[in-house]
Amino acid sequence: DAGVIQSPRHEVTEMGQEVTLRCKPISGHNSLFWYRQTMMRGLELLIYFNNNVPIDDSGMPEDRFSAKMPNASFSTLKIQPSEPRDSAVYFCATGGGNQPQHFGDGTRLSIL
Amino acid sequence: EDKVVQSPLSLVVHEGDTVTLNCSYEVTNFRSLLWYKQEKKAPTFLFMLTSSGIEKKSGRLSSILDKKELFSILNITATQTGDSAVYLCAVFAQGGSEKLVFGKGTKLTVNP
Repeated sequence: DAGVIQSPRHEVTEMGQEVTLRCKPISGHNSLFWYRQTMMRGLELLIYFNNNVPIDDSGMPEDRFSAKMPNASFSTLKIQPSEPRDSAVYFCATGGGNQPQHFGDGTRLSIL
Repeated sequence: EDKVVQSPLSLVVHEGDTVTLNCSYEVTNFRSLLWYKQEKKAPTFLFMLTSSGIEKKSGRLSSILDKKELFSILNITATQTGDSAVYLCAVFAQGGSEKLVFGKGTKLTVNP
């Protein structure tokens, strides 16, 4: 059973560029979560979807961040335009109800 | 505001030692508490605790929850170098929300 699959694993780009992170959830998991992890702030929830519908986006830091889930097997997190302070590891996790969330290996994003 | 606090922030021990990691929380409508282990990549699920006083055990790891005092501990006996990781505590809160609130983690280093 494949786990949560994220791509790319690493992304290095210059500030001002658009960045798109991708996530393929575990089949059958109804909820999908995007997190950001930094040394200073730890693991923070950005947004989560249930049955492809955004439920809580209160953690999205600014309008430069957007997330979509067009179907049950794919989600994207986009940053446009990117800034150096967006550098972090971005995790996608999936789960459902009161069950543990399962995490992908993350995308390490560096904005120069 | 929901809050999860872990202590200590870091810990260095020798192989064979026993360690206790602490997690306290202040959340609205507590449902359950989870422990994760994070090595180089994704956090991996260890335990989920819902009821007070019932110990969850997996090999050398065990955990217990005290809902009256609002804390949990994670014990690791006979530590090995492979136990070196960041241990994260998280809480499901806010009634029906699937949002997990994470602590900053305890970084455990086990030296040979």
